[in-house]
Amino acid sequence: NAGVTQTPKFQVLKTGQSMTLQCAQDMNHEYMSWYRQDPGMGLRLIHYSVGAGITDQGEVPNGYNVSRSTTEDFPLRLLSAAPSQTSVYFCASRVESGRVYEQYFGPGTRLTVT
Amino acid sequence: AQSVTQLGSHVSVSEGALVLLRCNYSSSVPPYLFWYVQYPNQGLQLLLKYTTGATLVKGINGFEAEFKKSETSFHLTKPSAHMSDAAEYFCAVSPQTGANNLFFGTGTRLTVIP
Repeated sequence: NAGVTQTPKFQVLKTGQSMTLQCAQDMNHEYMSWYRQDPGMGLRLIHYSVGAGITDQGEVPNGYNVSRSTTEDFPLRLLSAAPSQTSVYFCASRVESGRVYEQYFGPGTRLTVT
Repeated sequence: AQSVTQLGSHVSVSEGALVLLRCNYSSSVPPYLFWYVQYPNQGLQLLLKYTTGATLVKGINGFEAEFKKSETSFHLTKPSAHMSDAAEYFCAVSPQTGANNLFFGTGTRLTVIP
């Protein structure tokens, strides 16, 4: 059981390039989400998904696309990278049992856009 | 709308001293409440959570937090700081309705002085 995995760990992009951050979980969790972490701003929700085929926007969705074709995978796409997207990106999945749930985070992807 | 405020972006304590990290939320309905810890270059790990029931919640590594509805607070404490407690701590809230997304505070970096 690997939990939540993210690739790559580090990435440098030039402005205007596109890329996909990969996220996978092997815990059969329905809910998955993407956050970005910036100094002094905590973690902000980008997009989330409550199950395969269902996605929705979070607090800061502009410049990012997501899709959820399987329960396991939830990739985050940057179509045209901008320096403002330099950040650390965390993927998470959530287990739910009634009103009790717990979110598991991946190790993060550190992205620099020059 | 949910929001969470962490007072003090940096807190320093001596080894063996009391740790107190403050968190206040604003919500018309008490949300679910969480504390996460992030060690350098790692993802987030759940310390403890409050969803319902007893207002004093015990977590891992000797931490605990008390939900005080009248003060809209969920402060994190530990009686005696250890060097290994040095990390960044995030308070997070989640509404009890909808997708139950997590909204994070801006974080408090704890330094433990030997």
